[in-house]
Amino acid sequence: DTEVTQTPKHLVMGMTNKKSLKCEQHMGHRAMYWYKQKAKKPPELMFVYSYEKLSINESVPSRFSPECPNSSLLNLHLHALQPEDSALYLCASSPSGLPGYTFGSGTRLTVV
Amino acid sequence: DQQVKQNSPSLSVQEGRISILNCDYTNSMFDYFLWYKKYPAEGPTFLISISSIKDKNEDGRFTVFLNKSAKHLSLHIVPSQPGDSAVYFCAASAGTSYGKLTFGQGTILTVHP
Repeated sequence: DTEVTQTPKHLVMGMTNKKSLKCEQHMGHRAMYWYKQKAKKPPELMFVYSYEKLSINESVPSRFSPECPNSSLLNLHLHALQPEDSALYLCASSPSGLPGYTFGSGTRLTVV
Repeated sequence: DQQVKQNSPSLSVQEGRISILNCDYTNSMFDYFLWYKKYPAEGPTFLISISSIKDKNEDGRFTVFLNKSAKHLSLHIVPSQPGDSAVYFCAASAGTSYGKLTFGQGTILTVHP
């Protein structure tokens, strides 16, 4: 299995909703990442997990809450988002923090 | 402060010819560079990488060149094919950054049949 699987592919949520994005990989990669990509912009790093521990938080607002329950799973919990948070959220993984990522297809999030 | 720059938003090339995509960086701590290809509604796909100890890396139709003194890298695609049409992102990493990648703005490549 050489894939990173993200669910759901599309999500529409209201500003008072709570939702979660899920990411799964079975390549034995020990580093996992959340990136955010706005239209016509490059991906921007949000969080890095290394060996299931949060190692980088790029000053992301607390309405985004990451969780790494085990070495194969990465979640992003969303609460009280704003319309400007609408974007493509990409999960990626890599072996032990090496930068040769494998990306998932992303979750297209729309906040209304 | 944009540390990785792709100054050409788009490039149009005829099928069979060479495509050259360029990337400049400013952070001298970057020591690993990658190129990703992205289709709409998909995640980026890794194409090729190069370590700062090398000046060239080749994989099939794709070759990446690194000029450390100029802080410049380029991706050559030869021969270009219509299926290569996509957005190409240059990305860079510094050795102590837990694999954090800094991406350029991307270049839209269109290969015409």
